[in-house]
Amino acid sequence: GAGVSQTPSNKVTEKGKYVELRCDPISGHTALYWYRQSLGQGPEFLIYFQGTGAADDSGLPNDRFFAVRPEGSVSTLKIQRTERGDSAVYLCASSLKSGRDQETQYFGPGTRLLVL
Amino acid sequence: SQQGEEDPQALSIQEGENATMNCSYKTSINNLQWYRQNSGRGLVHLILIRSNEREKHSGRLRVTLDTSKKSSSLLITASRAADTASYFCATDAWGNTPLVFGKGTRLSVIA
Repeated sequence: GAGVSQTPSNKVTEKGKYVELRCDPISGHTALYWYRQSLGQGPEFLIYFQGTGAADDSGLPNDRFFAVRPEGSVSTLKIQRTERGDSAVYLCASSLKSGRDQETQYFGPGTRLLVL
Repeated sequence: SQQGEEDPQALSIQEGENATMNCSYKTSINNLQWYRQNSGRGLVHLILIRSNEREKHSGRLRVTLDTSKKSSSLLITASRAADTASYFCATDAWGNTPLVFGKGTRLSVIA
């Protein structure tokens, strides 16, 4: 079946602009995660959803970052007033469930964001 | 913040040799997973080992977990050029917690 998909693959924007990154999880997966990966580093957690609600948003770096998942499937990560330091690969992952019986997280190909 | 630390940071071996990568972590875990990443893009899940397991195999992969030492190792046997990638360990704790990744080991397998 189809895996996790993310659009766009690459996004170049100017400092101060607004961007939206989209994630389509695997059908039926209730848990959805956003991570950010800088060059030479491992992915760092941003936010995760269980269904429609954000169960943990403690990884969001500041209030310029926001994410939604209105129907419990597709999620959008929104970044306002982008800064050069926001440049990174943004990864989305989904899993069948979360919590104590957490299953494997399946990752999408990522969106490479470059802020000029 | 990153919990896991992979060792070594980079590893270069000849095709056919075995590759061993280690991961250490700081706090108690529920599961430990290993992922592979090519060219800085999507991560591919390799294997998950639960905190009550000590060893797990999948094809040419062997993972061990020592919770008393808070460490894990990934062994790739009979390596191939296609195994060239970055390898990350990731842990999650009990309850609703996300994965915490290390910085990864960059493996180069030379044909």
